Amino acid sequence: SQTIHQWPATLVQPVGSPLSLECTVEGTSNPNLYWYRQAAGRGLQLLFYSVGIGQISSEVPQNLSASRPQDRQFILSSKKLLLSDSGFYLCAWSLDRNEQYFGPGTRLTVT
Amino acid sequence: AQSVTQLDSQVPVFEEAPVELRCNYSSSVSVYLFWYVQYPNQGLQLLLKYLSGSTLVKGINGFEAEFNKSQTSFHLRKPSVHISDTAENFCAVSLVWLGKSTFGDGTTLTVKP
Repeated sequence: SQTIHQWPATLVQPVGSPLSLECTVEGTSNPNLYWYRQAAGRGLQLLFYSVGIGQISSEVPQNLSASRPQDRQFILSSKKLLLSDSGFYLCAWSLDRNEQYFGPGTRLTVT
Repeated sequence: AQSVTQLDSQVPVFEEAPVELRCNYSSSVSVYLFWYVQYPNQGLQLLLKYLSGSTLVKGINGFEAEFNKSQTSFHLRKPSVHISDTAENFCAVSLVWLGKSTFGDGTTLTVKP
């Protein structure tokens, strides 16, 4: 069966510090991968979308970047965090039927 | 581009009562439709999906939804809710040919004893 992992689960970082969040998927090949941000009391904002290694689509101009160094690994990064980067970050994967499977999330607090 | 509107941000309901969470979408082409549930501090789980065929779809935990193409709606229903159904619920729409979804802002379902 397929599983998706995210780490860390929680993170507190100061403004201006770098960020690296990791997502890995097991049990499937060549998945579509997604990064979302969920602000408190809000819906999901799609940040990045990837259909294959090295193929990244950015949905919203921002302080963040994403990379996919391996088929089932998706990394969200920032060189300098802003207060507005705080939120709940969710990674998800899908295959051809469009339903998405979400990881447990990372709660990021920028202080 | 497609869009999703969840008409109610909060729906309080008593245990064992029926509930309906409303979702309207906008798209000029064929879509897939989904409902997801999110429990506190967790990721989202798929409740049910409409891809094609019967317009009434059944999902997990006793939930069902009906696709109404003329009204561009995909409302979620359950005939009798439990305390454990308290959660955030998201409606999502995806273009048939495109592998990414647009999510609504969510509806908080609160089941009271």
